[in-house]
Amino acid sequence: GAVVSQHPSRVICKSGTSVKIECRSLDFQATTMFWYRQFPKQSLMLMATSNEGSKATYEQGVEKDKFLINHASLTLSTLTVTSAHPEDSSFYICSAKTGPNQPQHFGDGTRLSIL
Amino acid sequence: GDSVTQMEGPVTLSEEAFLTINCTYTATGYPSLFWYVQYPGEGLQLLLKATKADDKGSNKGFEATYRKETTSFHLEKGSVQVSDSAVYFCALSDGKAAGNKLTFGGGTRVLVKP
Repeated sequence: GAVVSQHPSRVICKSGTSVKIECRSLDFQATTMFWYRQFPKQSLMLMATSNEGSKATYEQGVEKDKFLINHASLTLSTLTVTSAHPEDSSFYICSAKTGPNQPQHFGDGTRLSIL
Repeated sequence: GDSVTQMEGPVTLSEEAFLTINCTYTATGYPSLFWYVQYPGEGLQLLLKATKADDKGSNKGFEATYRKETTSFHLEKGSVQVSDSAVYFCALSDGKAAGNKLTFGGGTRVLVKP
């Protein structure tokens, strides 16, 4: 149980392109999902907390106009990297919770490479 | 703010050796503590957790005890296997209703050689 699916697993695109990453909770409803960014050989950095039906809460230093988050249903949150540039290349990971005070369950991540 | 400090890797071991990864934390209140494991190219998997002082989390031969007096949550395994090679992250959750954000340590890469 508590499976989180991320899609795509890898994407390579040209600079200036917008890229959408999906995060789905497959066997549970997730009122809260989280988006992280992980640089090579580093820890996870929380980018934003996504709540179903409301605006995402962004961490300090994360550009909300650059990283658009939509949590339109209880099983799907999307992260769109707008006008991506090489410095946006990274490993993006989402997570979801089954309920308050429950552990976060993580997707397998999306490796984004901007040429 | 909350923080998690864990020993830097890489940690290289032989199969069947004893593994310890130190983790200490700083937090207000009474956080929940977690160990996550990340295999190459994958997301994170919850390995074990402890929600209050003196709790012991265990899974797949790994153990960690929530020590409030030393603010520690060290991960141990008595006999590692090659398949345990991964990056291990210690994390805490502030336990508050609003989001239960996770704060991660820097990760410790473990390499087990046959």
